[in-house]
This record gives sequence, C-alpha cells and structure tokens, in this order.
Amino acid sequence: GQNIDQPTEMTATEGAIVQINCTYQTSGFNGLFWYQQHAGEAPTFLSYNVLDGLEEKGRFSSFLSRSKGYSYLLLKELQMKDSASYLCAALDSNYQLIWGAGTKLIIKP
Amino acid sequence: NAGVTQTPKFRILKIGQSMTLQCTQDMNHNYMYWYRQDPGMGLKLIYYSVGAGITDKGEVPNGYNVSRSTTEDFPLRLELAAPSQTSVYFCAIQPGQDSNQPQHFGDGTRLSIL
Repeated sequence: GQNIDQPTEMTATEGAIVQINCTYQTSGFNGLFWYQQHAGEAPTFLSYNVLDGLEEKGRFSSFLSRSKGYSYLLLKELQMKDSASYLCAALDSNYQLIWGAGTKLIIKP
Repeated sequence: NAGVTQTPKFRILKIGQSMTLQCTQDMNHNYMYWYRQDPGMGLKLIYYSVGAGITDKGEVPNGYNVSRSTTEDFPLRLELAAPSQTSVYFCAIQPGQDSNQPQHFGDGTRLSIL
C-alpha cells in the first residue's frame, strides 16, 4: 500500500529552527510536495523536490533522499505566524498526490 | 485562493438530503480535483478531471458524483448525504501537466451531515 508518515505535532520556540520529517512509500515516485495549512484555511504550496538534495527558499528549505524514501522541511528563524500544519505529499506513478496527515507545529514565545 | 472559488463555505444537511458543491476557476486550467479532509487525516482524492468532458475516480469516490461540462466548472454532487460525509471539501486546480506544477486550493466547503 501507499503510505506517508510524519509526526502528529511538534513544538518549537520563536526564533529557533525546526525540522519536520516525512517518510513515504508509494507505487512509483514523481516528486514530493510540502504545503502549509493554517487552521481553518486551505493548504498553500511551499516546496517541491524531485531530485536528491536540498532546495532553499528564504527561511524554508526542503530536503529529499529518494533512496531512503525520506524528506524533511526545515524552518529557520521561526515566527509566530509559522504556527500551522505542514503537509507532506508524494506524487505516485499515476501522478496522483498521496497526502500525509500533517504535522501541527506550535510556536511558543 | 489562486482563482478557485468554492460555494457554499458552510452547509448543514440532514441525512438523505442531496446537494451540489460548486467549484469555479477563472484561469482556464484543465486539471481540477476534489478532496475531502477529515480531522487528523490527510487529504483524500474523491474525483479529478483532466479537461472538459473527462472525469475519473480518485481514492474515495463512493457516495459522490461529478461532471465537467465546461473548463471553468467542476461541481461535486452528494446524492444521499450520510454522516460519514461530514468533512471539509477542497477543490484544487493544477496550472499545467508537468508533475512539478503544484496544486492550488479553493477556500473549502465545511459540510456537516446530521
């Protein structure tokens, strides 16, 4: 079966760095997406990785290891507005997105 | 909302009633999707469409129907509402065919079946 695993909840301090991990098992693989979802709102696109390595976008970076079926999202210089759920989604061989349940990130002052 | 409009935003239905969730986009994209999101769960694909006149089932299509008579509109129909269909429903568009194109979501419809 197809599966995405990510931690249910994480807590971090304002100004710190946090890493949110995601492991995936899919039938085929055509890339991995990270989305941010604030409570009561729609998911919004953060990043896409298809090749191994790190993609950096300002305070957010995303890493992929295809051989390990593993990705992480790194958030630096955390701000209170980063409190949200972070969704990991893998694109399978049929180009369908398989979604994780999301990681709720709580930022404390 | 990336040019994707969903209506209504909230709705309460009684068991057995029917309704249509509307999704409209104004950017002429071919690829459109319907998802449901239950608390603590990932998004589940209900139906998708790769262009006008073409629709296909996703992971959880039972209890739903769709149509795509125009590029702009992709309505989702619930014929006999059941409590298990209480969820948040998101419509999404994808700007192009390339796999690296992210999906962009409407604001969602929060549906309760009582």
